[in-house]
Amino acid sequence: NAGVTQTPKFRVLKTGQSMTLLCAQDMNHEYMYWYRQDPGMGLRLIHYSVGEGTTAKGEVPDGYNVSRLKKQNFLLGLESAAPSQTSVYFCASNNRRTLHNSPLHFGNGTRLTVT
Amino acid sequence: GENVEQHPSTLSVQEGDSAVIKCTYSDSASNYFPWYKQELGKRPQLIIDIRSNVGEKKDQRIAVTLNKTAKHFSLHITETQPEDSAVYFCAASNAGGTSYGKLTFGQGTILTVHP
Repeated sequence: NAGVTQTPKFRVLKTGQSMTLLCAQDMNHEYMYWYRQDPGMGLRLIHYSVGEGTTAKGEVPDGYNVSRLKKQNFLLGLESAAPSQTSVYFCASNNRRTLHNSPLHFGNGTRLTVT
Repeated sequence: GENVEQHPSTLSVQEGDSAVIKCTYSDSASNYFPWYKQELGKRPQLIIDIRSNVGEKKDQRIAVTLNKTAKHFSLHITETQPEDSAVYFCAASNAGGTSYGKLTFGQGTILTVHP
C-alpha cells in the first residue's frame, strides 16, 4: 500500500514549456486534490476532483488543467509554464465515506522550477 | 469562500518553553480544523484536529482550542523539544455538504526550538 505517489519529484522547465504532474493513489479514494505551496502563503488549492471523470476549480486554477480519467490517477497539466508557477506541488486524497474522521493523505510533493 | 489567517509567521522558543500559534477563520459554516506539521522537504503531516462540537482537545504535549463565537482556534505545544522545530499549518473546512473535504490553509508558522 504505497498511499499517494507523485511523479516526478523534481523538474526544471523553461518558460513556455509544458508538462504533466502525475498523482496516483492506491486507497480507492474518491476525492483528490492538487495544492501548491509557496513561502509565506501556505497551501493553496488549484483543482480538485470528487470522482472519476469529474474535476473542479479551486482557489488558484489559472494556468493549470487537470484530468481524472481513472479513479486512482489525477493529472495536473501546465500548458505553457511561467516563472510564477515555480512552486512545490502536493497532491492529496481522501475517502468520501470517512471524510469526517480521516485526514488528507498527501503525496511527497513535486518541486517545480520555471526559468 | 473561506479565509484563514495564521499568526505569528515565525516563532522562536527555548527548549522546555510553551509555543502558541493562533488562527482565525471567516466562514461560520466551517466545522473541521486540523493542524499540520511539515518538516523541511517533507509532506505535511496531521498532528491534531478538532471539530466544532468540541472546545478543546489534547494529545500528550499538544492541545488545540476552538472559540466558535470569535472564529479562532489555537495550537498549544508544551515542553517544546528541538524536534518540534518545523512549519505548522492550521486549516479549516466544512466537512460536509458540497465542500468535498477541501481545506483552506493558513500561511504557516516557522517554529524554531533552541536547545
